[in-house]
Amino acid sequence: NAGVTQTPKFRVLKTGQSMTLLCAQDMNHEYMYWYRQDPGMGLRLIHYSVGEGTTAKGEVPDGYNVSRLKKQNFLLGLESAAPSQTSVYFCASSYELFYSNQPQHFGDGTRLSIL
Amino acid sequence: SQQGEEDPQALSIQEGENATMNCSYKTSINNLQWYRQNSGRGLVHLILIRSNEREKHSGRLRVTLDTSKKSSSLLITASRAADTASYFCATAASYYGNKLVFGAGTILRVKS
Repeated sequence: NAGVTQTPKFRVLKTGQSMTLLCAQDMNHEYMYWYRQDPGMGLRLIHYSVGEGTTAKGEVPDGYNVSRLKKQNFLLGLESAAPSQTSVYFCASSYELFYSNQPQHFGDGTRLSIL
Repeated sequence: SQQGEEDPQALSIQEGENATMNCSYKTSINNLQWYRQNSGRGLVHLILIRSNEREKHSGRLRVTLDTSKKSSSLLITASRAADTASYFCATAASYYGNKLVFGAGTILRVKS
């Protein structure tokens, strides 16, 4: 099993450009998450999904949109990229939501630079 | 302190030594989790300890939880060079809507 796969692994954008990050999981997990990781800080939750067709805002949702059209996929979109969105983005999935006694499974991240 | 704050920020030890990392948090929690992140990779779940548990073991890992002090520690015994990584604690607390809140991590370097 591949677990959680993120594409692309690296990307450089110019300010104002748009792009979509793709996350795919093959564990039949109901819940999926998008985080960003910045130097010296812990992971911060951007958006999450509790099932196909549902999404919700996390701690830092501004400037991002998400969609969960299929259970195994969770897309993160940047409509108009800004330098402040330069970060490493991680997707995760879990069998149950947040506080329940199940771990989250992470992809290897997408390193995004906005010039 | 912030929710899920690790101490120390960085730790350098010799192979074979034990490594101890601490995590402090502010509010009561439902569980606390430890994750490892190797350079350039995603986080890997190590161990989860529930609020009604005081100690858990997994191989060379030992996690303790002191809810009265709102703190947890991760002990790695007989460390190896392969243990070199960043270690993060994450808490699930009702105060934060039970969303996992991650600390900034401890960078562990094990010298061979």
